[in-house]
Amino acid sequence: AQSVAQPEDQVNVAEGNPLTVKCTYSVSGNPYLFWYVQYPNRGLQFLLKYITGDNLVKGSYGFEAEFNKSQTSFHLKKPSALVSDSALYFCAVRASGAGSYQLTFGKGTKLSVIP
Amino acid sequence: EAGVAQSPRYKIIEKRQSVAFWCNPISGHATLYWYQQILGQGPKLLIQFQNNGVVDDSQLPKDRFSAERLKGVDSTLKIQPAKLEDSAVYLCASSSPGLARTDTQYFGPGTRLTVL
Repeated sequence: AQSVAQPEDQVNVAEGNPLTVKCTYSVSGNPYLFWYVQYPNRGLQFLLKYITGDNLVKGSYGFEAEFNKSQTSFHLKKPSALVSDSALYFCAVRASGAGSYQLTFGKGTKLSVIP
Repeated sequence: EAGVAQSPRYKIIEKRQSVAFWCNPISGHATLYWYQQILGQGPKLLIQFQNNGVVDDSQLPKDRFSAERLKGVDSTLKIQPAKLEDSAVYLCASSSPGLARTDTQYFGPGTRLTVL
């Protein structure tokens, strides 16, 4: 069965510092990988996705993510954190081949950017 | 472009009561999903529609949950009777153009259900 692990329940970072939110996955075959952000009392907003090609994917609001096949990871990064980036971040995976068609989410990582 | 609309935003009911949630997807999106998000967890797929047909309902507790998308546009999710463990946020999402695994899902604001 496919799965996503977000090993940190919470990440704290100072405003202006780089941030990383970690994600590892398990899936049969090649993965399609997604990052979403959730602000309080709002639905999930799409940030970026990896389908194929360049391992570094650029997305909305200055976020990017790096796909590493050997480490089965897809970490979310931003060079300079903003207070407004404080939110809940979800990584998700979908199998590209014969595995489950479902989009499987991790438990989420709460990012707090400290002024 | 208008996003995914959901109503109500909040609902409080007693256990054993029934409740219904409504979703209107992004215009033109053929695929519609209902997810359950329990506090502290990621969303879990309940049911997926392609137009008005069910693609995947393997994780839908069919003894109490039902969903329909009669005209292939908006959808209703119902719980009858509700249990305490149904307290969660119910998210609706839609995607286009079809069943590609690369499709991005766009989510509505969700309905927060509290069962007392």
